[in-house]
Amino acid sequence: ELKVEQNPLFLSMQEGKNYTIYCNYSTTSDRLYWYRQDPGKSLESLFVLLSNGAVKQEGRLMASLDTKARLSTLHITAAVHDLSATYFCAVEGLLGGTASKLTFGTGTRLQVTL
Amino acid sequence: NAGVTQTPKFRILKIGQSMTLQCAQDMNHNYMYWYRQDPGMGLKLIYYSVGAGITDKGEVPNGYNVSRSTTEDFPLRLELAAPSQTSVYFCASSWKRNTEAFFGQGTRLTVV
Repeated sequence: ELKVEQNPLFLSMQEGKNYTIYCNYSTTSDRLYWYRQDPGKSLESLFVLLSNGAVKQEGRLMASLDTKARLSTLHITAAVHDLSATYFCAVEGLLGGTASKLTFGTGTRLQVTL
Repeated sequence: NAGVTQTPKFRILKIGQSMTLQCAQDMNHNYMYWYRQDPGMGLKLIYYSVGAGITDKGEVPNGYNVSRSTTEDFPLRLELAAPSQTSVYFCASSWKRNTEAFFGQGTRLTVV
């Protein structure tokens, strides 16, 4: 059974600082997603990582994937308050037949303080 | 396009009551999913469908039923609500396997 672990679960950081969120998963997968969720809102797709060594960047966020280590990271550069949210990684795994499903980590609640 | 639309946004049920959570997508996606999100947790798959007339169980199907009579709609039925079903429910759709899933806004359900 595919398991996805994220750490830390909670992260309080000052504006301007850098930090990394880690996502480990237990079995091989075709793709990995990073989502952002604001309180009471739905999930917003940030990145899709498809292959070993993939790196994607959007603004102050950069995601990478190491399929050999089964590890993805989400790096935050010079954090700003607007980045406060919960971040989930999700790994795609096979269901029976032609279907697949996302297995989610428990999320990292990021709080950026002034 | 509206994307994935869920109704209602909020609902309070008494123990033993029944209700249907509605989900509709206008992207002509074949695959549809129901997830639940418990407080402080990630999402867990309840049921999924790979096309009209085809549904199957996910990780946590007990206490729920689904149907898929059209490509657009994928309602989730709770027959006898229990406090353990208090959660936020998300519907999602994707074109096929290994393509990005789009999520609805969620339904916050409280069972008292």
